[in-house]
Amino acid sequence: AQSVAQPEDQVNVAEGNPLTVKCTYSVSGNPYLFWYVQYPNRGLQFLLKYITGDNLVKGSYGFEAEFNKSQTSFHLKKPSALVSDSALYFCAVRDWNQGGKLIFGQGTELSVKP
Amino acid sequence: GAVVSQHPSRVICKSGTSVKIECRSLDFQATTMFWYRQFPKQSLMLMATSNEGSKATYEQGVEKDKFLINHASLTLSTLTVTSAHPEDSSFYICSASPGQGHGYGYTFGSGTRLTVV
Repeated sequence: AQSVAQPEDQVNVAEGNPLTVKCTYSVSGNPYLFWYVQYPNRGLQFLLKYITGDNLVKGSYGFEAEFNKSQTSFHLKKPSALVSDSALYFCAVRDWNQGGKLIFGQGTELSVKP
Repeated sequence: GAVVSQHPSRVICKSGTSVKIECRSLDFQATTMFWYRQFPKQSLMLMATSNEGSKATYEQGVEKDKFLINHASLTLSTLTVTSAHPEDSSFYICSASPGQGHGYGYTFGSGTRLTVV
């Protein structure tokens, strides 16, 4: 079965510093990978995706992610964190063997301090 | 484009009553919608896959008689929590995929905070 793992429950970063939120995946075939962000009491907002093509994917709000096939990773990054980036982040993979539904990681809470 | 509207955003109901949550795709047709449940600061748990014109597919452990799903049109799916109890209090989120033209991703509703008292 397809799966994604986010090894960190929480990431703390100072404002202005670079941030990384980690995600590793386990899939058969080509992975369709996504990052979403969730603010309190809200639904999920799409940040970026990797389907095919360049390994470095640029997304919304200055975020980017690098697809690394050899390490089966898809880490989310941002060069300079903002306090407003504080939220819950989810990595997900689309499971074509189960009707195309999204399989989510456990989520990582990002806290950016001034 | 690709907007999913979910209503209500917040509902408080008495134990034993039923609550209906609506999920609408506003600018695309969704033959399939998904319903998730989320506990505080936890991941999304897929409850069921809603299929237009047919019965929903429930995930293991989800009571289909408790969580009734109806997908009567290509733009509307509803989740009814029947005979609600305090343990049903949670955050419920729906989603739909606009299809290949949107990169195979999903669009999510803004969620419904259900509190059963």
